[in-house]
Amino acid sequence: QKEVEQNSGPLSVPEGAIASLNCTYSDRGSQSFFWYRQYSGKSPELIMSIYSNGDKEDGRFTAQLNKASQYVSLLIRDSQPSDSATYLCAPLKIVGTYKYIFGTGTRLKVLA
Amino acid sequence: EAGVVQSPRYKIIEKKQPVAFWCNPISGHNTLYWYRQNLGQGPELLIRYENEEAVDDSQLPKDRFSAERLKGVDSTLKIQPAELGDSAVYLCASSLGQQQFFGPGTRLTVL
Repeated sequence: QKEVEQNSGPLSVPEGAIASLNCTYSDRGSQSFFWYRQYSGKSPELIMSIYSNGDKEDGRFTAQLNKASQYVSLLIRDSQPSDSATYLCAPLKIVGTYKYIFGTGTRLKVLA
Repeated sequence: EAGVVQSPRYKIIEKKQPVAFWCNPISGHNTLYWYRQNLGQGPELLIRYENEEAVDDSQLPKDRFSAERLKGVDSTLKIQPAELGDSAVYLCASSLGQQQFFGPGTRLTVL
């Protein structure tokens, strides 16, 4: 079992729709969770962080965390073609180590 | 505020040759990371520095890879000799607290 699992996609959504990106993780030692956006040929860009159970909103982005289910998600409202990218989920393990464990990412395509 | 700076952006070498990558972190960030990212994969940690101390180098292939962070600011990652399988993007990141920021990366091609 991979430490971080993401559906590789592509996830295709029409412009203006809500894109829902999901991530599960195996290590309960993960305490903080980060979402990165990576455009093709570019480096990862931090877009959201979430530290406690529940929802956290920032503009069109909402991160959701459920530690009991070991599940974290990212919702993108009013999706735009410029949101087309790969989204990487990265839990931070702090028990016994201090390491960000990156998933392989979900490729999102927003269709105009 | 300037971001993480890396150079070179691209490097093409022949196998068995040496190569070095340089990174200057965001000012004031005492934690520096080197990652390797293969196509279609997430970044994988090679080494983490707290100031000038390498606190996690468990994933660094020490037979051919070395790194240093003199004076606790900029850092160099070296591969000697390079192998075909080292072709990847090498990313440097820095953090102050838990939010980590990446540089643009160096795309290495080994022929």
